[in-house]
Amino acid sequence: SAVISQKPSRDICQRGTSLTIQCQVDSQVTMMFWYRQQPGQSLTLIATANQGSEATYESGFVIDKFPISRPNLTFSTLTVSNMSPEDSSIYLCSVEGGRAGGNTDTQYFGPGTRLTVL
Amino acid sequence: EDQVTQSPEALRLQEGESSSLNCSYTVSGLRGLFWYRQDPGKGPEFLFTLYSAGEEKEKERLKATLTKKESFLHITAPKPEDSATYLCAVQGSSSGTYKYIFGTGTRLKVLA
Repeated sequence: SAVISQKPSRDICQRGTSLTIQCQVDSQVTMMFWYRQQPGQSLTLIATANQGSEATYESGFVIDKFPISRPNLTFSTLTVSNMSPEDSSIYLCSVEGGRAGGNTDTQYFGPGTRLTVL
Repeated sequence: EDQVTQSPEALRLQEGESSSLNCSYTVSGLRGLFWYRQDPGKGPEFLFTLYSAGEEKEKERLKATLTKKESFLHITAPKPEDSATYLCAVQGSSSGTYKYIFGTGTRLKVLA
């Protein structure tokens, strides 16, 4: 499986500011995904990022709030804009890791970015 | 709508006390069911992918099974280092090509 790193690992931010989270993979991947894990809740997909095209956002998430860049096959960024305390979460990136005999790929996750908004 | 429910929410076991975690799912056209382990402050670590009912996979003290309605993660003779949150996710044909639907997890604590 791919080795995935995220920066920063954690941050404390003020309301109204923005934070950009970086995700780096040690091999080229077509699809990268961004998830949010709010305290005590399950992981929720924010958007899917293809290299060379606009990100596809899930219901409830918009580009103005969570702009995503995907400049190449090993890197992506997620920006959390105009933050409020409700944005305090763990943000995770994931990549597909290939199939093991089935008809869909397994996703592998980075270590996450823990964001606290005051 | 695709849905995943995990039970119990939390489980405390003595070292060596075997048990099972449950993942019940409702999905249109199951493409895959996934088990992950998540330690505090870390990202989910992949454990297993199951594709069809009747399939089983094992890794050390863990064994995952799948039926048409649920999956079990059996833990045999657990050790304290097995303490973690175990997450289940499904991917269905109606949820888009890549979208995973996650359960809220089972927090496992194994006491020495």
